[in-house]
Amino acid sequence: DAGVIQSPRHEVTEMGQEVTLRCKPISGHNSLFWYRQTMMRGLELLIYFNNNVPIDDSGMPEDRFSAKMPNASFSTLKIQPSEPRDSAVYFCASSLVAGGADTEAFFGQGTRLTVV
Amino acid sequence: AQTVTQSQPEMSVQEAETVTLSCTYDTSESDYYLFWYKQPPSRQMILVIRQEAYKQQNATENRFSVNFQKAAKSFSLKISDSQLGDAAMYFCAYRLNNFGNEKLTFGTGTRLTIIP
Repeated sequence: DAGVIQSPRHEVTEMGQEVTLRCKPISGHNSLFWYRQTMMRGLELLIYFNNNVPIDDSGMPEDRFSAKMPNASFSTLKIQPSEPRDSAVYFCASSLVAGGADTEAFFGQGTRLTVV
Repeated sequence: AQTVTQSQPEMSVQEAETVTLSCTYDTSESDYYLFWYKQPPSRQMILVIRQEAYKQQNATENRFSVNFQKAAKSFSLKISDSQLGDAAMYFCAYRLNNFGNEKLTFGTGTRLTIIP
């Protein structure tokens, strides 16, 4: 398996623009997570899906952030409008949660977002 | 809420020596998982080792082992025979074993430097 695939790897955008980050989880995994990593706040969970349904979005900073998972093999994280304080590395991770057969979370290589 | 604390922002060790990274956590739950993740400069989050809380035996993976003290809520990582490739940020993480709450809570990380 190719692992969790994120695109793009790097994104530089101007303040006010819309940004869309993409994630393809590992085939067969049923849970998907979006994390954000910054120097100030470390790694923090933004949102978590199970079987394509959002379970916990309490970490989503504000209405400018939205996430979707239209099917088991694709998810997006959108920021509209973007602000300089959104600059961070955004990770997508997936795992299989199946009671007794749970796997650990496998992470993508992250998207480094810079908002200027 | 669960919290994970890594009190050593930076550590260094001579190549081929042994180093121990500390982690403590706070939880009122009894069924959970603990993890150590490695993040090299490539940014990829790589699972190093995993421990189930119900298992008394400490997990080991080749040169990596843990000292899991459930009562003390302590989960340290020992790296034996340190190699240059071990240089990275190391994150301790906690996860409940509870459907609908599989998010990882991370510590702030320890930067490990290997001295040749």
